[in-house]
Amino acid sequence: AQSVTQLGSHVSVSEGALVLLRCNYSSSVPPYLFWYVQYPNQGLQLLLKYTTGATLVKGINGFEAEFKKSETSFHLTKPSAHMSDAAEYFCAVSVEGGKLIFGQGTELSVKP
Amino acid sequence: KAGVTQTPRYLIKTRGQQVTLSCSPISGHRSVSWYQQTPGQGLQFLFEYFSETQRNKGNFPGRFSGRQFSNSRSEMNVSTLELGDSALYLCASSVSRWDTQYFGPGTRLTVL
Repeated sequence: AQSVTQLGSHVSVSEGALVLLRCNYSSSVPPYLFWYVQYPNQGLQLLLKYTTGATLVKGINGFEAEFKKSETSFHLTKPSAHMSDAAEYFCAVSVEGGKLIFGQGTELSVKP
Repeated sequence: KAGVTQTPRYLIKTRGQQVTLSCSPISGHRSVSWYQQTPGQGLQFLFEYFSETQRNKGNFPGRFSGRQFSNSRSEMNVSTLELGDSALYLCASSVSRWDTQYFGPGTRLTVL
């Protein structure tokens, strides 16, 4: 069965510091991988996705993620955190049409 | 292009009642998926509809049902509500079953 594990339910960084949110997946077939962000009382907004091709994927708001098949990982990074990045981040995998399997989420706090 | 819309945004019901939630996908999108989000279980897939047919179903009891209309709008119904059904219900739409899912703001259901 497919699954997604996000290491760390809460990550705190200082403004301007590197953001690293970890995601590992389990899949028996090549997956499609996604990162979504959720702000309080809102739905999910797509940050970036990997389907095929280049393993380094660039998304919105300066975020990027690298697909590493050998490590079954899809970690999310941003070189310099901004206060507006504070939110909950979800990694998701899709191996069946129309169905996303989500990790438990990582809440990112940004300290001034 | 307008995003995914969900109505109502907030709903309060009592145990034993039933509820219907509505989702209007982005224009041109034919696939609609539903998810339940709770603090304890996180984001869980409910079901997916494409061309008015349920194509995929998550591990939820039969009290949870849905349908899709010819204009791709979708509804989900929960009968005999339980306290544990209190959650944020998210709808997502995509052009086809394997395309990126775009989420609505959700319906916050509270069961008293």
